[in-house]
Amino acid sequence: AQSVTQLGSHVSVSEGALVLLRCNYSSSVPPYLFWYVQYPNQGLQLLLKYTTGATLVKGINGFEAEFKKSETSFHLTKPSAHMSDAAEYFCAVTWDTGRRALTFGSGTRLQVQP
Amino acid sequence: DGGITQSPKYLFRKEGQNVTLSCEQNLNHDAMYWYRQDPGQGLRLIYYSQIVNDFQKGDIAEGYSVSREKKESFPLTVTSAQKNPTAFYLCASSVRPGQGTSSYNEQFFGPGTRLTVL
Repeated sequence: AQSVTQLGSHVSVSEGALVLLRCNYSSSVPPYLFWYVQYPNQGLQLLLKYTTGATLVKGINGFEAEFKKSETSFHLTKPSAHMSDAAEYFCAVTWDTGRRALTFGSGTRLQVQP
Repeated sequence: DGGITQSPKYLFRKEGQNVTLSCEQNLNHDAMYWYRQDPGQGLRLIYYSQIVNDFQKGDIAEGYSVSREKKESFPLTVTSAQKNPTAFYLCASSVRPGQGTSSYNEQFFGPGTRLTVL
């Protein structure tokens, strides 16, 4: 079955440090890939997406992600963490099937220490 | 402003009761989705609809029912058959797959409803 794995349910960084959140998918068919952010008791907001084209994708709030087909990965990075980045982050994928619903990873909670 | 609204924000249910969660969108999207979120498990698909008067079961449809009588609305009913309904429920919508400028369009999410069974 196709699945998404986010390594690390909790990640803690210092303010100003590099943020790296990992996402791997299992599928022989290249998917469409997304990163969403969720603040407490709120819905999900799209950070960035990869569908086709350039494999390095830039999103909102200074985040970016790179699609690496050979590694089946789509890790999310930000060069310098800000206190406002503290939230839960979800990697999601879908494939070119009729359903088009998203399959989500289990999420990574990012803490930013002052 | 265009967006998705969900109501109520918090909902309490007694065991054995059915409850209905509202989801409305004014984005003119054809496709709508319901997800359930539990701590540490990400989001799981309950039902989805790609067009009015049509909907399909997702991965965890047992104990839930939906209707899609209007394009703007996709209510979810949590029935008494759902054994563990306490969760955060999220509704989403998107342009119908195949439409728009890309072959896949992202989903837009509502603010969610937190359901607690007493």
